[in-house]
Amino acid sequence: NAGVMQNPRHLVRRRGQEARLRCSPMKGHSHVYWYRQLPEEGLKFMVYLQKENIIDESGMPKERFSAEFPKEGPSILRIQQVVRGDSAAYFCASSFYGTGSYEQYFGPGTRLTVT
Amino acid sequence: KQEVTQIPAALSVPEGENLVLNCSFTDSAIYNLQWFRQDPGKGLTSLLLIQSSQREQTSGRLNASLDKSSGRSTLYIAASQPGDSATYLCAGPSYNTDKLIFGTGTRLQVFP
Repeated sequence: NAGVMQNPRHLVRRRGQEARLRCSPMKGHSHVYWYRQLPEEGLKFMVYLQKENIIDESGMPKERFSAEFPKEGPSILRIQQVVRGDSAAYFCASSFYGTGSYEQYFGPGTRLTVT
Repeated sequence: KQEVTQIPAALSVPEGENLVLNCSFTDSAIYNLQWFRQDPGKGLTSLLLIQSSQREQTSGRLNASLDKSSGRSTLYIAASQPGDSATYLCAGPSYNTDKLIFGTGTRLQVFP
């Protein structure tokens, strides 16, 4: 059973470009979470999705950031018009259920560098 | 609102020592608590998950305990090795939410 997969592992974008980060959950998992780790800071929750639904986006910046988890395919975190402050490691996690009592499994992360 | 704190922030010890890492949380209505390991520039490796109904979990040289009433969890590492050097994170969801709230981590260095 493959773990959570994220790609690309490293992404370099110039200011103003768009960044698309992809996450494939573990097989059988239908709950996906995105977290961000800024340099020298802890991990912060961004958004929680189920298939075709955003359940909790309380940690998402109000502008330029969006997330989706379509019926088919990976979950996508999209950052429009990136700025240097978006440089961070973005981690995706998945779980079997989303009640809070189930373990979340993390992917290797995507390290975004904005130049 | 759940807040998670880890003490100490950093720890440097010689090989062979037994270690205790501490994690405190403010919301005792917690479903579970997870301990993770993060190596520099890498992702998170889940070490142990303690459900709210449990008091401790063990995996090899690792033992984690959970005391909801006092809002504390500890990770005990027996006979530490240089390969244990990493940042250790604890995290838990608050009641009726699904997002994990992470502590700031303990950066551990075990030297030969």
